Amino acid sequence: DQQVKQNSPSLSVQEGRISILNCDYTNSMFDYFLWYKKYPAEGPTFLISISSIKDKNEDGRFTVFLNKSAKHLSLHIVPSQPGDSAVYFCAASPSGGSEKLVFGKGTKLTVNP
Amino acid sequence: SQTIHQWPATLVQPVGSPLSLECTVEGTSNPNLYWYRQAAGRGLQLLFYSVGIGQISSEVPQNLSASRPQDRQFILSSKKLLLSDSGFYLCAWSWTTIGGPGELFFGEGSRLTVL
Repeated sequence: DQQVKQNSPSLSVQEGRISILNCDYTNSMFDYFLWYKKYPAEGPTFLISISSIKDKNEDGRFTVFLNKSAKHLSLHIVPSQPGDSAVYFCAASPSGGSEKLVFGKGTKLTVNP
Repeated sequence: SQTIHQWPATLVQPVGSPLSLECTVEGTSNPNLYWYRQAAGRGLQLLFYSVGIGQISSEVPQNLSASRPQDRQFILSSKKLLLSDSGFYLCAWSWTTIGGPGELFFGEGSRLTVL
């Protein structure tokens, strides 16, 4: 059973526009959510996180929104840049250690110049 | 600053051969250490994690094993590789945290192809 779902395997946007990456989860015990960015042949790097006590967290061009009632979160990138082209992983965890993180399958974002 | 390295970066092995992937962390002490695998078309799957020397927890039954002989060294092994072991293996570390997951810092990854 896939507890963290990224239903769009790929997304293509124009430079300067908004990129919206979506993530759904099924485990109501999840209360901490992270986004990671991964370039080919490299390990993922942490991008932004949000805890369940918030519904929005912003860091520069990146904003994560959390809708607990819908068990849905999204990552907004504004404006999108070609260097943002990468695979984005959503991850979720209940309270506890990092070993409890569950990752989605990832969404490949392509930002076209 | 902290760094994490894993090697080899690429490995092509025949079925039935042994495997050893190594990972070391520098610039921190007593980190939590992790081995993940990303198989084709799948997300990141946690294989093993360790909270200290000699302490290994396995998340999924499989053909692999892990060891932590030193505080900042984590090794992934297999005695006999299977075709299904092919994938991209990632080592990661995190601070020891209480009450919530900490950010994971990943290594560069090791691409294993079993033929």
